[in-house]
Amino acid sequence: EAGVVQSPRYKIIEKKQPVAFWCNPISGHNTLYWYLQNLGQGPELLIRYENEEAVDDSQLPKDRFSAERLKGVDSTLKIQPAELGDSAVYLCASSLVGRDEQYFGPGTRLTVT
Amino acid sequence: KQEVTQIPAALSVPEGENLVLNCSFTDSAIYNLQWFRQDPGKGLTSLLLIQSSQREQTSGRLNASLDKSSGRSTLYIAASQPGDSATYLCAVIDGNEKLTFGTGTRLTIIP
Repeated sequence: EAGVVQSPRYKIIEKKQPVAFWCNPISGHNTLYWYLQNLGQGPELLIRYENEEAVDDSQLPKDRFSAERLKGVDSTLKIQPAELGDSAVYLCASSLVGRDEQYFGPGTRLTVT
Repeated sequence: KQEVTQIPAALSVPEGENLVLNCSFTDSAIYNLQWFRQDPGKGLTSLLLIQSSQREQTSGRLNASLDKSSGRSTLYIAASQPGDSATYLCAVIDGNEKLTFGTGTRLTIIP
């Protein structure tokens, strides 16, 4: 069974440029999560989807971050414009339903210069 | 607000020794607790999930325990191997289905 797939694995952009990350969850998993992980820290939740619906986006900086999960499967996280402080690893995870065991993708390491 | 703490931040032990990693959380109203390992530059790999009604879970050389009332969990690794070197993270899911992570313990097994 394929795991959570994320792309790209690495991205380097200049500040003020836009960037997008893509995630394909494990087949059949209804819940999808985007996390941000800074160096030496644990992941912090940005947004959680139940199928197509964003049920928790309280930690998503909505002035520059946006996300979508069309058709309740793949998801895209976008930053526009990127700032230096956005340099981090962006992790996607999925689970069958909320409260269930979460499975993580390899992450996208973003460097903003 | 839930806070999850892992002490120590780093640990080095000789190969073959048994070891215990600690995790504490401030709000005992959790739904479950999950232990992960993270290798450098990689994503998180789920190791064990303990439901709030359970006291422990075992998988191979790993055993995780949960004491909700005291807000603590431990991850026991038996007969450590160099391949166990990684960062270990614990995370709790609360009643709002939110997962809160600790900052992790970086484990080094010395051959």
